Amino acid sequence: GAVVSQHPSWVICKSGTSVKIECRSLDFQATTMFWYRQFPKQSLMLMATSNEGSKATYEQGVEKDKFLINHASLTLSTLTVTSAHPEDSSFYICSARKTPSGAFREGSGGNYGYTFGSGTRLTVV
Amino acid sequence: QKEVEQNSGPLSVPEGAIASLNCTYSDRVSQSFFWYRQYSGKSPELIMSIYSNGDKEDGRFTAQLNKASQYVSLLIRDSQPSDSATYLCAVPKAAGNKLTFGGGTRVLVKP
Repeated sequence: GAVVSQHPSWVICKSGTSVKIECRSLDFQATTMFWYRQFPKQSLMLMATSNEGSKATYEQGVEKDKFLINHASLTLSTLTVTSAHPEDSSFYICSARKTPSGAFREGSGGNYGYTFGSGTRLTVV
Repeated sequence: QKEVEQNSGPLSVPEGAIASLNCTYSDRVSQSFFWYRQYSGKSPELIMSIYSNGDKEDGRFTAQLNKASQYVSLLIRDSQPSDSATYLCAVPKAAGNKLTFGGGTRVLVKP
């Protein structure tokens, strides 16, 4: 279990247009999902935390009006890159974490890691 | 000091040898630690998680945790060319469970 599906896997768009990326948890409910961006030869940088039914929480330096996040259901979060520019070209990855039901103490065991979607390669021309 | 630090590598190991990867973290209250493998152009995949001090083994992988030294490592035994990838150490922040990644260590296993 704990499968996260991300779509599309790659997209090319023109400068000034908007692109929507979808992230779905297929076999579990995720009240929280995370959006990352990765530039070539760099590590993953967290952009924002997507919260079901409430506003996303953005990391410092990430423009909330440019990167719109919607988490309308327990299995779907979307990231829309608005007015895309070539510098927005990057690898965007979503993540969710399956946690066990009932009381759970961090560090108590299990292997409840964060599962990542397959990523979306965005190229803005 | 970065929150999660790793040597960038590349770490070059001959096939069949042991690859040893290190990671240090700054937050003393961190409770869980994850190792991910990322192939070029792909998203990270979870290899190991570890929560308690000591060793945890899973197949050819062994994670080692020392909370007093704020140090977590990953050993890959009998390294194979297919193990060539970037290995990412990740630690959730105490608040919000946001996963923070190290810069990653690139491993090259030579036949």
